[in-house]
Amino acid sequence: ILNVEQSPQSLHVQEGDSTNFTCSFPSSNFYALHWYRWETAKSPEALFVMTLNGDEKKKGRISATLNTKEGYSYLYIKGSQPEDSATYLCAFRSSGYALNFGKGTSLLVTP
Amino acid sequence: EPEVTQTPSHQVTQMGQEVILRCVPISNHLYFYWYRQILGQKVEFLVSFYNNEISEKSEIFDDQFSVERPDGSNFTLKIRSTKLEDSAMYFCASSELRGQGKTEAFFGQGTRLTVV
Repeated sequence: ILNVEQSPQSLHVQEGDSTNFTCSFPSSNFYALHWYRWETAKSPEALFVMTLNGDEKKKGRISATLNTKEGYSYLYIKGSQPEDSATYLCAFRSSGYALNFGKGTSLLVTP
Repeated sequence: EPEVTQTPSHQVTQMGQEVILRCVPISNHLYFYWYRQILGQKVEFLVSFYNNEISEKSEIFDDQFSVERPDGSNFTLKIRSTKLEDSAMYFCASSELRGQGKTEAFFGQGTRLTVV
């Protein structure tokens, strides 16, 4: 079992605040780290796939970094908006095709 | 935008009954997956499928489970004799063949299965 942990479990911020959450994963046998954004009653939406140590990816106000040597990834949201409210899932892939998910960070952004 | 579609969105079934969950993956994708999430727990991998055969499966995917691609578009998950503990949200996903590490999986909205 590949242990993927996310923190915090939930987060409540005000509109305009910047925020970040953490995903930790096994540092050995690393293939890729995925971030998904999941709104209730919708499909989990792929945000980023990162494969190289030091990778940084950005999509609009959301960015992510990767440290494969120490086994963590950060997801940042700059200037949070109410539409950013969702659960953010990270998933670790070692060999094979299975994604090993964390429990997610549930973000609520209030106006 | 292409998407993975799953039917039904909700399914209630009696313990011991067979259930089939259906998925239409994105049309040019070659790899297909089933995941599930029991309420309050992590999303768990069940099985991956490529070239008409299972390429990887988890310990959860025992003899009660089977997958099939009966035609060029559908991908199904069958649970032969459902148990209470099979109650979960079941997600179908698909991906292109773009290299193992960078392959991005696209998920459907899920089928909520309730076994009573």
